[in-house]
Amino acid sequence: ETGVTQSPTHLIKTRGQQVTLRCSSQSGHNTVSWYQQALGQGPQFIFQYYREEENGRGNFPPRFSGLQFPNYSSELNVNALELDDSALYLCATAGGLGQPQHFGDGTRLSIL
Amino acid sequence: AQSVTQPDIHITVSEGASLELRCNYSYGATPYLFWYVQSPGQGLQLLLKYFSGDTLVQGIKGFEAEFKRSQSSFNLRKPSVHWSDAAEYFCAVGAQGGYNKLIFGAGTRLAVHP
Repeated sequence: ETGVTQSPTHLIKTRGQQVTLRCSSQSGHNTVSWYQQALGQGPQFIFQYYREEENGRGNFPPRFSGLQFPNYSSELNVNALELDDSALYLCATAGGLGQPQHFGDGTRLSIL
Repeated sequence: AQSVTQPDIHITVSEGASLELRCNYSYGATPYLFWYVQSPGQGLQLLLKYFSGDTLVQGIKGFEAEFKRSQSSFNLRKPSVHWSDAAEYFCAVGAQGGYNKLIFGAGTRLAVHP
């Protein structure tokens, strides 16, 4: 039990649609990172939020965006969905920059 | 560019046998190295980490890993594998220091025969 909850567990969308994935964590976890894990691959870093501000971004286009809220929850938004966006999306929260991360079980996103 | 290579995609061992999973990294400075395990349908669990100091690090579930700077390697070992160890294992490097911006390898899937 990591204390990190992601919703929904599974989601099916079609190309061109928009999706919002959610992550909630323990109180005090002011750092959240999002990763994309395609089938058969390792997770890839999308971006990190620290105290509600973006604090680093991986090699993902601007249609991937995020928000972090004062209650330590966060969102990953993806616009104009493409088939290649089909993946497991993981969030990881921490009590601060450089602190151990706790991963959620992920949201499985399928694009038809 | 920073990268992590796990040369073995699949490994099968017999229960009770020893295990070594290979990991090679490319990183300009002193690396922050990690091993994570992922069971089907679940997130990642940290097995162990190396930040500095003793190059042989102990982790949970009886795992250990050895950092070898000269070989740019951080191999994971376990002396006796249990059936419950069957999972996917990921090596990672912290690209911004510590746990920030982890760069993962493609993973090694471990199967355990009874």
